[in-house]
Amino acid sequence: GIQVEQSPPDLILQEGANSTLRCNFSDSVNNLQWFHQNPWGQLINLFYIPSGTKQNGRLSATTVATERYSLLYISSSQTTDSGVYFCAVEDYGGSQGNLIFGKGTKLSVKP
Amino acid sequence: SQTIHQWPATLVQPVGSPLSLECTVEGTSNPNLYWYRQAAGRGLQLLFYSVGIGQISSEVPQNLSASRPQDRQFILSSKKLLLSDSGFYLCAWSVEGGLARNTQYFGPGTRLTVL
Repeated sequence: GIQVEQSPPDLILQEGANSTLRCNFSDSVNNLQWFHQNPWGQLINLFYIPSGTKQNGRLSATTVATERYSLLYISSSQTTDSGVYFCAVEDYGGSQGNLIFGKGTKLSVKP
Repeated sequence: SQTIHQWPATLVQPVGSPLSLECTVEGTSNPNLYWYRQAAGRGLQLLFYSVGIGQISSEVPQNLSASRPQDRQFILSSKKLLLSDSGFYLCAWSVEGGLARNTQYFGPGTRLTVL
């Protein structure tokens, strides 16, 4: 099955810093989503981005489908950005709606 | 707007006891519904998904089962819990088609501890 790898596994930032999180996937995908899981466990959908670039406030994401990777950019980080960021993909040959999750990047933003 | 509810929020159960977790969705019709488990260590694993009433697909063989008695209700069950069933259980919904095909939205989760 398709493999999803996220890097780095852990990241510690000072408030105000910028960061880039990476997601590599091993096969063609028709669905890619970025999620943020807050310290209470709630998973929030950040982007649906199987290709191209999107921006939402301080967050933006880019997926280069032909090269099988996606990047999540966080600018001017805030303590509320802390949590785990997941990339999830659905491959063309998989069960419909079956998202395969990476292991996540745990982000800690220090004041 | 659409909302998704899960209960209970936390649960502590002895080994061998039964389990019933409930998930309901409001504000949408005929959603796809999903149960995920997140064990310690962060990864999410899809357990079951459903595209309609009574239609359940299992992704991982285990002692858990799922049912969808109503369009917007999804239930996760077990007859006898194992220690390895401990984890954080998340329900999610999506709708097919549209600009954000199968974008999944998650509920608040149930934290299950089996002792």
